[in-house]
Amino acid sequence: QSVLTQPPSASGTPGQRVTISCSGSSSNIGSNTVNWYQQLPGTAPKLLIYSNNQRPSGVPDRFSGSKSVTSASLAISGLQSEDEADYYCAAWDDSLNGWVFGGGTKLTVL
Amino acid sequence: QVRLVESGGGLVKPGGSLRLSCAASGFTFSDYYMSWIRQAPGKGLEWVSSISSSSSYIKYTDSVKGRFTISRDNAKNSLYLQMNSLRAEDTAVYYCAREDSAMVGSYMDVWGKGTTVTVSS
Repeated sequence: QSVLTQPPSASGTPGQRVTISCSGSSSNIGSNTVNWYQQLPGTAPKLLIYSNNQRPSGVPDRFSGSKSVTSASLAISGLQSEDEADYYCAAWDDSLNGWVFGGGTKLTVL
Repeated sequence: QVRLVESGGGLVKPGGSLRLSCAASGFTFSDYYMSWIRQAPGKGLEWVSSISSSSSYIKYTDSVKGRFTISRDNAKNSLYLQMNSLRAEDTAVYYCAREDSAMVGSYMDVWGKGTTVTVSS
């Protein structure tokens, strides 16, 4: 059971906008910033969004992040087939004194 | 370019030991916190341990406390994870990652490709 809660799956058709939610608590998302990682099949995770809504260089602006109180969301607009991957949210947890991850959301592009 | 390369994984019997290494290149290793994250087969990501740039600050997830030891050698640009008393549930791909920080918050911005640890008799 992951500390951060994500839906196990999400799907959309090419060109659609999809959102993935991440729910936490006051000790993690409520107190710290949220990061999102993309893991393409068979590869290592890649930083997608940091500090709630910042994109590293090279990440398309189709990807955006937001945070409200103890929840966060990742939005992907103009969905493309290459976006098919697992997506994980993460935050530092002040009570556990460590990083916590969501269980991951498998995104399928139909 | 910025790169992390893990090594040292393999097959080990329950109760055995392994030492993972992570070689860093392309950045000033001694400026950064570093972490180990693992992923069991078919499962999600799990943070294992983090170490500060000077090794003065070390944290572990509860399930590995007393069994795993994180360390680093800044002169060799290397991060290590000594794993003792291994259990079947430690079977996973182990990634090392660099931690960077922004004005607000920190994050793992560079990841290695991982090394596989299998604990089985």
